[in-house]
Amino acid sequence: EIVMTQSPATLSVSPGERATLSCRASQSVSRHVAWYQQKPGQTPRLLIYDASTGATGVPARLSGYGSGTEFTLTISSLQSEDFGVYYCQQYHKWPLTFGGGTKVEI
Amino acid sequence: EVQLVESGGDLVQPGGSLRLSCAASGFTFSTYWMSWVRQAPGQGLEWVASIKQDGSEKQYVDSVKGRFTISRDNAKNSLFLQLNSLRAEDTAVYYCGRVLRGDGDPFDIWGQGTMVTVSS
Repeated sequence: EIVMTQSPATLSVSPGERATLSCRASQSVSRHVAWYQQKPGQTPRLLIYDASTGATGVPARLSGYGSGTEFTLTISSLQSEDFGVYYCQQYHKWPLTFGGGTKVEI
Repeated sequence: EVQLVESGGDLVQPGGSLRLSCAASGFTFSTYWMSWVRQAPGQGLEWVASIKQDGSEKQYVDSVKGRFTISRDNAKNSLFLQLNSLRAEDTAVYYCGRVLRGDGDPFDIWGQGTMVTVSS
């Protein structure tokens, strides 16, 4: 199976600052990567798919980049609603796999 | 409003069985792949199973193959997950998810989840 590794595990960022989250795949997944945000006690929310396409309603300050094995999610200017845990997921091959998550603390 | 509502979660003994349901509304259920994803307490997300629009193709994570069965009833806009031979490590919140486009795609709509606890 394809292993997705996220770093860092925790990211402490002040409002207005830029946050960069990383995700590495154990083998090439082309651009078949999605990003989700999950706030405590809530359901995951799809943010980005196909590595860089924003899902419906996702603010422009969130952007995805990458292909092959290296991917990043960037929040250009962190807002209070951006806290939570972010997961990357590959859908290039079965079984679908998620990274372990990056917790973004404000 | 597009919505998924899970039910059926419960406390069950090791080796027991459970059937989870997911009721879909607000979209044409029969035209989407559907999936189950679980999250153990305090842990990350784990994909469990996916099913094609007409039920003709199913995919499972290795850890549940032979124990779990995904199915659907398009006439009733419902998705199911039959859990057999349950183990402590199956304890998790189980989410149903709508697949964005084709097979294996990410999940654009999630239910609120239903809790399965496996313990004696």
